[in-house]
Amino acid sequence: QVQLVQSGSELMEPGAPVKISCKTSGYDFGTYPMNWIRQAPGQGLEWMGWISTKTGKTTYVQGFTGRFVFSLDTSVSTAYLEINSLKTEDTAVYYCARGVDNQGDYVYWGQGSLVTVSS
Amino acid sequence: FILTQPHSVSESPGKTVTISCTGSGGDIATNYVQWYQQRPDSAPTTLIFEDDQRASGVPDRFSGSVDSSSNSASLTISGLKTEDEADYYCQSYDADTLWVFGGGTKLTVL
Repeated sequence: QVQLVQSGSELMEPGAPVKISCKTSGYDFGTYPMNWIRQAPGQGLEWMGWISTKTGKTTYVQGFTGRFVFSLDTSVSTAYLEINSLKTEDTAVYYCARGVDNQGDYVYWGQGSLVTVSS
Repeated sequence: FILTQPHSVSESPGKTVTISCTGSGGDIATNYVQWYQQRPDSAPTTLIFEDDQRASGVPDRFSGSVDSSSNSASLTISGLKTEDEADYYCQSYDADTLWVFGGGTKLTVL
């Protein structure tokens, strides 16, 4: 069965970097795009962008350019989100979500990774 | 392209509730609409994809539809159960590939 298992909670200081992993199984990693979604405390879902697992091409939406980096390690079917120069307002749960490739596909979600930024 | 949902809805167990998702700045029928359920302290899961298709394991009490005339999508939940109490998000696309989420609707089953 399709599974996306994310790395655990992180407590980070402002200015530090953090790297979240999203290890997948149960499907061909290179077929489906990987999306990243942020959910700030008490807020809704916010799409950050996506990475093509076929080409590595990334798309970042406004507000997530510069400090946010999507990457892949296809050898272990894992996607990564790195956030540099953390700010307190980056405190949120970050989700990876497998996108769709063909009609009949639907989105599978990771369990989320809580990043808390505090001094 | 913006998707607007009611902030909250409430209904009694056993009843039927419909959550709307209204598009603005584009035609909602141009791209598929998905619905996600997020129970408290849990990750979202896919309920409905491609407007009206249920994801595997989703009971047929959940149904989705799109109405071009009102430029809106709807999620209908019949035979409400207390376990349906959750946040529900609609999602579609802008420029074909960019995800757009509605703001979410908190469903209370009382």
